[in-house]
Amino acid sequence: DTAVSQTPKYLVTQMGNDKSIKCEQNLGHDTMYWYKQDSKKFLKIMFSYNNKELIINETVPNRFSPKSPDKAHLNLHINSLELGDSAVYFCASSQGLSSYEQYFGPGTRLTVT
Amino acid sequence: AQRVTQPEKLLSVFKGAPVELKCNYSYSGSPELFWYVQYSRQRLQLLLRHISRESIKGFTADLNKGETSFHLKKPFAQEEDSAMYYCALKAAGGTSYGKLTFGQGTILTVHP
Repeated sequence: DTAVSQTPKYLVTQMGNDKSIKCEQNLGHDTMYWYKQDSKKFLKIMFSYNNKELIINETVPNRFSPKSPDKAHLNLHINSLELGDSAVYFCASSQGLSSYEQYFGPGTRLTVT
Repeated sequence: AQRVTQPEKLLSVFKGAPVELKCNYSYSGSPELFWYVQYSRQRLQLLLRHISRESIKGFTADLNKGETSFHLKKPFAQEEDSAMYYCALKAAGGTSYGKLTFGQGTILTVHP
């Protein structure tokens, strides 16, 4: 009965590799988000999708590309990984952009060596 | 641009003592303010929002537009309150509509 799930939970990879993180929600929400939490626990939005359309795209390197195959899924693909990409990535969802509550996934800890 | 500042990275209190987690914001429009909490090994979750003006787990927060603050308070802290607390602001419109901007977070530790 997990509401927002992410895979994998941990990801360790080398610089220069390409990796993907998957997110799925079973809440019937139409809006999904990706956040990055850095080593200092600072949490910042990266992208948001509403009905599969990109709504928010913060200043994120082009190496990061979100993909939403349907409203229940929002995947994050990262090309040419760099050391600075090491962080915890959180997926979240809400019912509409105006919803007062976002539901977060458990996070994916990405370590780039 | 919207900004949220939580001046205290770490906050330690003893059980039964009052606790206040500070949050200040900067936003040109009419903001929606929230507190999110992340307990150990749990997901980030909404604790309360300013519009509801309710008390959750003994916590309250009042939006002070004059001081642009939204401090989180609890009169008697409990050990189970130990967690990471994030203050967040939501844009009401414009190109940032729906965007949640988080503060840096405050780690609250309640000692027995």
